[in-house]
Amino acid sequence: GENVEQHPSTLSVQEGDSAVIKCTYSDSASNYFPWYKQELGKGPQLIIDIRSNVGEKKDQRIAVTLNKTAKHFSLHITETQPEDSAVYFCAARLWGSGGYNKLIFGAGTRLAVHP
Amino acid sequence: DVKVTQSSRYLVKRTGEKVFLECVQDMDHENMFWYRQDPGLGLRLIYFSYDVKMKEKGDIPEGYSVSREKKERFSLILESASTNQTSMYLCASSPKGQETQYFGPGTRLLVL
Repeated sequence: GENVEQHPSTLSVQEGDSAVIKCTYSDSASNYFPWYKQELGKGPQLIIDIRSNVGEKKDQRIAVTLNKTAKHFSLHITETQPEDSAVYFCAARLWGSGGYNKLIFGAGTRLAVHP
Repeated sequence: DVKVTQSSRYLVKRTGEKVFLECVQDMDHENMFWYRQDPGLGLRLIYFSYDVKMKEKGDIPEGYSVSREKKERFSLILESASTNQTSMYLCASSPKGQETQYFGPGTRLLVL
């Protein structure tokens, strides 16, 4: 079936360093790619998303890039801070046979930012 | 602020019990979703609903059913709980035509 692969599963960085998380997807019809952040004891929350008609999107210290040809997209966090420590999930939108769409999530990346 | 609430944060049940997980959203969203979250597997879609009394199977519906009698409430039912259903269950909602999903805090279910 369709899937989204996410790497690495864990990432440890020093405060102030950059962090990069990469995802690949299998359905070439996917056109929407969100990233969710899950803090301890909470549900995931959308932090940034990108559509297939653009290659890059930035929001302060976070950015997402998309390569449709290679079917991969990445999350970049610059100047990391301890509060960036969380589990990050990428996802891709998949269109179903009934005309409905759903998100397929990656396995998640646990990011630890050390002071 | 969108608020999605789940009836319990932690739940312990015995094998064979019927289990109800409740989810309520207060933003009049049409779409509601149930996921389970397991280490190394991410979030997997169990069932979703795009309207009252409507339901669609997700990727792993076996052993589960759902009910959506009112727009704000989406219930997940484990007809006969088994140990392999021990997991974190997340409910989410989204407005019609929008992709952003708003998640509840999750229910951690342990089946003994």
